[in-house]
Amino acid sequence: TQLLEQSPQFLSIQEGENLTVYCNSSSVFSSLQWYRQEPGEGPVLLVTVVTGGEVKKLKRLTFQFGDARKDSSLHITAAQPGDTGLYLCAGGLNTGNQFYFGTGTSLTVIP
Amino acid sequence: NAGVTQTPKFRVLKTGQSMTLLCAQDMNHEYMYWYRQDPGMGLRLIHYSVGEGTTAKGEVPDGYNVSRLKKQNFLLGLESAAPSQTSVYFCASSYPRDYEETQYFGPGTRLLVL
Repeated sequence: TQLLEQSPQFLSIQEGENLTVYCNSSSVFSSLQWYRQEPGEGPVLLVTVVTGGEVKKLKRLTFQFGDARKDSSLHITAAQPGDTGLYLCAGGLNTGNQFYFGTGTSLTVIP
Repeated sequence: NAGVTQTPKFRVLKTGQSMTLLCAQDMNHEYMYWYRQDPGMGLRLIHYSVGEGTTAKGEVPDGYNVSRLKKQNFLLGLESAAPSQTSVYFCASSYPRDYEETQYFGPGTRLLVL
C-alpha cells in the first residue's frame, strides 16, 4: 500500500491551460516535497513545505501544504511544453530518515 | 562536481545471477539512499545509510543487501536476481536531515531480470 496517493495519474493538456495535481495521505507528515522527473533522469527537487497551510510559489507553480499536513497540491498556471514530466510528491516523517514517495502524476503539455 | 553517479546504466541478468550496483557522490553528503521505481508506484526506498559504515532497511529491503564502506560510495547488491526485481534503481544523497533536506538523485540504473 502506498502512503501517498497522487491524482490524476496521467494528465494531457494544451499549452496555456491551468492544472492542479493532488497528493493525499491519511498520515501526518513533518514536511512535504515536490519533485519533477524527466525521462531517463532522476527526480529533481522543486520545493519543500513544512508548515500546515503553507503556500510557496515558484514562477508559474504554486505549492500548498494542507492545514493538517496530510495533503498537498501543485498548481501550474499557463502550462508550457517544458513543464512536461513526472511530478512526484514525497512526505517526510518525524521518525527516521525516510521520505515516502507518491505514485506520481505524468504530465504532458501539448504545444 | 559530477554530483551523484551510478554504474552501470543498464544491465540484463538471468534469474539467479548476482550483481552489484555502484553509487558514488562527490558532495560529501552523509546520507545515501537506494530506491526502486516501478510504473504507477513512484519510488520505494530499499535501504539507506546515515553515515560511513552504517546501513538501515527501508520499505522494500527483501532480496537486496547494501554496504557503505566509504562515505562517497553506496553499493546495492542482488545475491540471486528474480524477475520481480526488474526495475529502475535510483541512488540519492543528502546532507543530514532537516526540514529543508534536499535529496540529489543519480540518473538511474535500468535492470532487466529474465
